[in-house]
Amino acid sequence: AQSVTQPDIHITVSEGASLELRCNYSYGATPYLFWYVQSPGQGLQLLLKYFSGDTLVQGIKGFEAEFKRSQSSFNLRKPSVHWSDAAEYFCAVGARGRNNDMRFGAGTRLTVKP
Amino acid sequence: EPEVTQTPSHQVTQMGQEVILRCVPISNHLYFYWYRQILGQKVEFLVSFYNNEISEKSEIFDDQFSVERPDGSNFTLKIRSTKLEDSAMYFCASGPGVISPGNQPQHFGDGTRLSIL
Repeated sequence: AQSVTQPDIHITVSEGASLELRCNYSYGATPYLFWYVQSPGQGLQLLLKYFSGDTLVQGIKGFEAEFKRSQSSFNLRKPSVHWSDAAEYFCAVGARGRNNDMRFGAGTRLTVKP
Repeated sequence: EPEVTQTPSHQVTQMGQEVILRCVPISNHLYFYWYRQILGQKVEFLVSFYNNEISEKSEIFDDQFSVERPDGSNFTLKIRSTKLEDSAMYFCASGPGVISPGNQPQHFGDGTRLSIL
């Protein structure tokens, strides 16, 4: 089965600084990859997804992610972080070929300093 | 934009009692899911449901859990005899199914926070 590792449990950045959240996956084929954001006590909001094609995908709120097959990674980036970006970020991988059982990483909590 | 809706938003139940969490998936979706997130931990897959039967379930989804689509619009998760460790946020999701040329992401509800006392 597919699995996801998010190596960083907690990251603190200053407002206006750039951000990169790491995600590594394990799957036997090219996976479907997702990034979700969760504010405290809230549900999961999809930021962006990768299915195929261009390996650099653009999402909402100015986020982007790059799929690197050679590194089994799908890191999330943002050039300039805003205070409202403080939240929990989850990377997820879905099995290609069927719409079933996504596997989530443990999450990275982002704190933004003023 | 259509949404997945979950009720209630918060449920408090005595240990040992049965609880039913309700979800209304997006109307033309074919696949339905339940996930669980224990406080401070990651989101865990519980079960997927397609064509009126369970298509996959995790090791968490033991005999105390069951799912049902009773009326063509609701999708429910029943926990038969709740334990303290069932306290968590439960997310429902739905997906349109495998659509050429590729898959589509699941849409998540806002969750039901279940507190077992």
